[in-house]
Amino acid sequence: GQSLEQPSEVTAVEGAIVQINCTYQTSGFYGLSWYQQHDGGAPTFLSYNALDGLEETGRFSSFLSRSDSYGYLLLQELQMKDSASYFCAGGSQGNLIFGKGTKLSVKP
Amino acid sequence: NAGVMQNPRHLVRRRGQEARLRCSPMKGHSHVYWYRQLPEEGLKFMVYLQKENIIDESGMPKERFSAEFPKEGPSILRIQQVVRGDSAAYFCASSQSSSAGGGNEQFFGPGTRLTVL
Repeated sequence: GQSLEQPSEVTAVEGAIVQINCTYQTSGFYGLSWYQQHDGGAPTFLSYNALDGLEETGRFSSFLSRSDSYGYLLLQELQMKDSASYFCAGGSQGNLIFGKGTKLSVKP
Repeated sequence: NAGVMQNPRHLVRRRGQEARLRCSPMKGHSHVYWYRQLPEEGLKFMVYLQKENIIDESGMPKERFSAEFPKEGPSILRIQQVVRGDSAAYFCASSQSSSAGGGNEQFFGPGTRLTVL
């Protein structure tokens, strides 16, 4: 089967660091993507890991370990605007499978 | 450069009616994907199309749902004889080439919120 598991909710304070984990079972898996979605908005692409290791883009970093079927999204120096849902996604060819999302609430 | 456009943004239908959702991909993109999202849920893949071809429809319900991406014009997701369970947000995404499991970024439209009364 194909599935991605991630926590449903995470709460953190402004300025803190938060890590959102994702474990997966997808056949023919190419890599792991992360998308952000604000309430009522469209998902927007954050990052993609094809190889094991850490990819850093500004305050956001993403990690992949293929041997562990595991990845995470790391958000640093949290800001109120980071409050949103974060989805990991994986798959093969055009068929992307999304996790159910982690709702991040950033408190002052 | 306009992003992915979807219309209508909100659509209300009564049970048994037809719903037509339109998606215009980003300029230069020939790959289109449709997803359905229920409240507090993730995105569920429905179908992947290129111009005039359905590449993967493994996520499409077998009945009442169809999709097309003609040579000219937008991609259309069509739902016949809608039922209350079809109420959801339907998102379209496009990419320049095959998504390759996420390696090629998918750009999402604002979605169509379908409400079936």
